[in-house]
Amino acid sequence: LAKTTQPISMDSYEGQEVNITCSHNNIATNDYITWYQQFPSQGPRFIIQGYKTKVTNEVASLFIPADRKSSTLSLPRVSLSDTAVYYCLVGAFGGGGNKLTFGTGTQLKVEL
Amino acid sequence: KAGVTQTPRYLIKTRGQQVTLSCSPISGHRSVSWYQQTPGQGLQFLFEYFSETQRNKGNFPGRFSGRQFSNSRSEMNVSTLELGDSALYLCASSLRRGGDVNTEAFFGQGTRLTVV
Repeated sequence: LAKTTQPISMDSYEGQEVNITCSHNNIATNDYITWYQQFPSQGPRFIIQGYKTKVTNEVASLFIPADRKSSTLSLPRVSLSDTAVYYCLVGAFGGGGNKLTFGTGTQLKVEL
Repeated sequence: KAGVTQTPRYLIKTRGQQVTLSCSPISGHRSVSWYQQTPGQGLQFLFEYFSETQRNKGNFPGRFSGRQFSNSRSEMNVSTLELGDSALYLCASSLRRGGDVNTEAFFGQGTRLTVV
């Protein structure tokens, strides 16, 4: 399974855009990139998933360069409620099973 | 629709005892995975069940076991509890169709196990 590297922590202010980058140099051809959000004492919550280029949903965007060795989660106009740990996961789903490998995650702190 | 339900939410056990945790997946989901989360080790995969069969297993000792029933509900058992087993145990369900790509796993609130 591909190992991921993320910043341990990031600070931001309300209304700003936050970009969290994840490195995954040994990503495999059939690996997808998925981001989860976790609040204290709760289970992780799916944010977004992509394979290449750009994916956007109602809460975030995911940018994946052509070599797929990194990815960037972009959170537009963050609020205090976005303070959480964000995990970048790389792995194959479906036939590969649902064995999610979580790294250390990035603790995002949003202030007023 | 109802989310993933884990019971109990909190549990206190003594060293040497055993414990059984329960997970009810989202209706229609057939894959259930278990994870252990501790401050020191983070989120670690325990095992995955699909159609009552264990499909994947993480690097945990044999004291950790599980099973899945025909209605996709799953139980996890830890025998001979150790202090280091104190953790948040999370269950995730997903809609797995053979060969298809799953878009996401839905996690429950977890069971907080404290071993004293």
